[in-house]
Order: sequence, then C-alpha cells, then structure tokens
Amino acid sequence: SYELTQPLSVSVALGQTATITCGGNNIGSKNVHWYQQRPGQAPVLVIYRDFNRPSGIPERFSGSSSGNTATLTISRAQVGDEADYYCQVWDSSTAEVIFGGGTKLTVL
Amino acid sequence: QVQLQESGPGLVKPSQTLSLSCTVSGGSISSGNYYWSWIRQPAGKGLEWIGRIYTSGSTNYNPSLKSRVTISVDTSKNQFSLKLSSVTAADTAVYYCARSQTWGYGPGSYCMDQWGQGTLVTVSS
Repeated sequence: SYELTQPLSVSVALGQTATITCGGNNIGSKNVHWYQQRPGQAPVLVIYRDFNRPSGIPERFSGSSSGNTATLTISRAQVGDEADYYCQVWDSSTAEVIFGGGTKLTVL
Repeated sequence: QVQLQESGPGLVKPSQTLSLSCTVSGGSISSGNYYWSWIRQPAGKGLEWIGRIYTSGSTNYNPSLKSRVTISVDTSKNQFSLKLSSVTAADTAVYYCARSQTWGYGPGSYCMDQWGQGTLVTVSS
C-alpha cells in the first residue's frame, strides 16, 4: 500500500520558520492533509487539500505539495506550536486513509 | 460546532470484542455529506485509521483490520459505533472518533475535520 515518510523530529528557534516534510511516490498528484497533536490531546486538522486552512487556524500555518514531497511550513514559530504533526492522504487504490509516521516539532 | 464523545469499556479481555460508541452533538449525524470515522493510537506511536461509515451505511475499513472490524451507525441516537473482535494486547490504544469529509471535492480530499477527545482501551486479562 501507499507509504508516507516523515522525519522523526524537527527543531526550530523561537520566532523562526519550521518546515516539516512528507514524502510519498508522486504525492503531488494527491491531496495532502496535516494534523497537529499536542501532548495528551486529540489531533487537530491544520491544513487540508495541500494548502487550505480550516477556520481558526492561524495564517502562520501553510502547506504545499509537488513531486514526491509535501511540506507543512510554520512561520514565526511559538512555544505553543510544539507538537507532533502528521500528514495524511487517501489511497484510492485500496480505499483507505494513510498517515505518515509523525514528526515531533521542538521550539528552542 | 459539532462535538464528538467516545464511550465504552476501558478494559477488555484478550480474545473478546472491543465495543465503543461515539455520540455526536451540535448537529445531526444524518445531515451534510459527512463520513464518520474511527482512528486509534497506541501509546507513544502514530495514528492508525480503522475505518469509516457514511450515513447511507456504506463502509470502508483498513485492510489490515477488515476481518475483525464492524462500524455501524444509529441515526436515532445520533451515534456511530465500533466493534473490534478477537482483541489482543496489540489493540491497546487510545481510540478516537472523528467526523470526516471531502469538502465537496473528490474522494482524495477525504480528511478528518472534527475529533473526539479519545478514550483509552486496554486489552488485558
């Protein structure tokens, strides 16, 4: 089945820009969604269909996707952005949701 | 805004059936083009999609769990449910229910836009 690859961890200095990648075969042809999961909490959708923000998500969160890599970008990183981030796609060939393994973001 | 709340036993014995319900409030489970999904997360690990149901009753399941999973919906109670049979310790996890949609686009746009808080289910004798 389709696989998504994320780095285990990413670090960013306070106020700087964090970039979290999600790799997959020709992922640019799929719709990619991103979730934020703070410790002890349920996931929250932060980006859907590659670059769209749900209501209430700050403009600091943005997304893009091309070729074999999708990217979640968090600008002006805050301590409150420390969380695990998961990418997700729908695999039409098997009719199932695929999640990436998750990336732990640390704000230094 | 719609809210989801999981409920069910926190402890299940090996080989038995895990049963959870998700109550939807703030909106009708039958309205809109929504799917209703279950996702789980073992402690310290990533998210695993279990399956989904549409209000018509049509379902899709994770192929790796398909032989053991049943998801159903009760529109009169505004609830949907999960049954996972023949459980083992590997099924110990936090189980989340979620509302899902495709935003009016094709199936590839499918994602979970509202989540319950999750409930821990431990499989142990």
